[in-house]
Amino acid sequence: DSGVTQTPKHLITATGQRVTLRCSPRSGDLSVYWYQQSLDQGLQFLIQYYNGEERAKGNILERFSAQQFPDLHSELNLSSLELGDSALYFCASSDGDSGSFRETQYFGPGTRLLVL
Amino acid sequence: GQQLNQSPQSMFIQEGEDVSMNCTSSSIFNTWLWYKQEPGEGPVLLIALYKAGELTSNGRLTAQFGITRKDSFLNISASIPSDVGIYFCAGSPSGTYKYIFGTGTRLKVLA
Repeated sequence: DSGVTQTPKHLITATGQRVTLRCSPRSGDLSVYWYQQSLDQGLQFLIQYYNGEERAKGNILERFSAQQFPDLHSELNLSSLELGDSALYFCASSDGDSGSFRETQYFGPGTRLLVL
Repeated sequence: GQQLNQSPQSMFIQEGEDVSMNCTSSSIFNTWLWYKQEPGEGPVLLIALYKAGELTSNGRLTAQFGITRKDSFLNISASIPSDVGIYFCAGSPSGTYKYIFGTGTRLKVLA
């Protein structure tokens, strides 16, 4: 158990809909990362938050947005869903001093999204 | 999206054999991380490397941060059936907070 929690574990929805995925980082971790993993693919970095502020952005679509709240949990919002958005969505949190780049990421169990 | 070159893509080995996999990048990295992922699960951190030339072990696993800072390898010695899974490298390019993941090495161990 990495200490990172994600809900829900599974989500089935229809095209055009909007969903929210939730992540709670490990106790004490300030950074949260979101990744998308399509079937048999690697992990694609979407976005990172550090202590409530957006820090880095990857290949995140405009239909997707995220935020990190004062209690450090994070939500990833996916809207106008398309069939191709079906994937595993992982959240990771990091320890260490981000200023020195000695960060180590710990992953949650993921949310499996199926868009029909 | 940008990804690291990870090889081999897949390996079928006999139990007891040693395994080696590597990742290379065209840019300099500050950090290399190695993960193992099993079906339907999140990646689990195996080894973290922060310094060029660093060699770190975790049980039967050994990983090194290349001295050019553009590559890393992971060795697994005396493989066992529970080593089965997909192994990913991940690196943080110098000057960024992003992490880029390799395409994964799918390992199967035959008893």
